Amino acid sequence: KAGVTQTPRYLIKTRGQQVTLSCSPISGHRSVSWYQQTPGQGLQFLFEYFSETQRNKGNFPGRFSGRQFSNSRSEMNVSTLELGDSALYLCASSSGTAGTEAFFGQGTRLTVV
Amino acid sequence: DQQVKQNSPSLSVQEGRISILNCDYTNSMFDYFLWYKKYPAEGPTFLISISSIKDKNEDGRFTVFLNKSAKHLSLHIVPSQPGDSAVYFCAASSGGYQKVTFGTGTKLQVIP
Repeated sequence: KAGVTQTPRYLIKTRGQQVTLSCSPISGHRSVSWYQQTPGQGLQFLFEYFSETQRNKGNFPGRFSGRQFSNSRSEMNVSTLELGDSALYLCASSSGTAGTEAFFGQGTRLTVV
Repeated sequence: DQQVKQNSPSLSVQEGRISILNCDYTNSMFDYFLWYKKYPAEGPTFLISISSIKDKNEDGRFTVFLNKSAKHLSLHIVPSQPGDSAVYFCAASSGGYQKVTFGTGTKLQVIP
């Protein structure tokens, strides 16, 4: 069973640009969550999609958005990039059922210069 | 507002001894708790979980204890092995949804 795949693994962007990150969940999983990891802040929840609908949202500005496709693949978009957006972005997939754990991808390391 | 807190950023333990990682939470609505382990340059890996209806869950060398009245949980690793050296994240969720709130992590170093 293939794991969670995130692309690209590494990305360098300039301030003001926008970026799109992709996540392919484990086959059969309908829930995809996105997290931002920065040093000292742990994993900060961005949003969760389930069956193409955003079900939960964290406390991030509107520059951070996402979507989920009918095949459960998800994309995250960050517009007007700021230096502080440099982080490891992690995607996690799960069945979406209460009490089940999520499986994480290896993440996309975004550097904004 | 950090709803899940791991107050020890790091912990060093001798190989073979017990490692105890602690986690406190403030949201009484949390009803499911998880521990994840993370190596550098990898995504977190699920380790063990516990539902709020239990106070202990065991899986091999890993045991999680939950004290709801104190809003505290802990992860015990016995015996600790050098391969256990990683960052451990405590996480919690509520209401059956997948909005999981993570702590800031504790870096465990197991010394051979």
